[in-house]
Amino acid sequence: AQSVTQLGSHVSVSEGALVLLRCNYSSSVPPYLFWYVQYPNQGLQLLLKYTSAATLVKGINGFEAEFKKSETSFHLTKPSAHMSDAAEYFCAVSDGSSASKIIFGSGTRLSIRP
Amino acid sequence: EAGVVQSPRYKIIEKKQPVAFWCNPISGHNTLYWYLQNLGQGPELLIRYENEEAVDDSQLPKDRFSAERLKGVDSTLKIQPAELGDSAVYLCASSEGGGSYNEQFFGPGTRLTVL
Repeated sequence: AQSVTQLGSHVSVSEGALVLLRCNYSSSVPPYLFWYVQYPNQGLQLLLKYTSAATLVKGINGFEAEFKKSETSFHLTKPSAHMSDAAEYFCAVSDGSSASKIIFGSGTRLSIRP
Repeated sequence: EAGVVQSPRYKIIEKKQPVAFWCNPISGHNTLYWYLQNLGQGPELLIRYENEEAVDDSQLPKDRFSAERLKGVDSTLKIQPAELGDSAVYLCASSEGGGSYNEQFFGPGTRLTVL
């Protein structure tokens, strides 16, 4: 079975500061990993995904994530937070097969202080 | 290009009443998903369609939930009768193919409140 754990249900940073959202996964097979963002009253939007190619994945809006197998982690980072980054962020995992489904974490709400 | 369309956006009903949600996926996407998102949680898959065939409905509570995608395009999710615990956001998503490597595009969801 696969699962993800997002550490911290709420993270608050100052505008311009580093954003770090933590995600650890559990998978018995090489995983596919995803980060999604959800703005208020909207659906989820894919930020980036890891599919066993480069371990450092760059996504939209200046976000990136690094796959670390030894730590079973896939943390999301952005060097400088912007007010528009305030949203809910979900880490997710799948086994990549055609029949697999994506398992989502419980989410981390990111707040940006002016 | 239009995204995934869902209606209604909000629905308030009393318990034991029926309710239905509608989803129109992105044109050309043959895979359609219905997810349940409880407050403070990530989405959980209810059912996945490949064209008009439900290929994964293992998490759909079949005693009260039903879904259909008759022509392999738009889809309807129904609850009958609704219970208090069904209050949540119901998300629809679509993708070009069924593998999890295909990006899923999500609609804005229907927020259901059961009183």
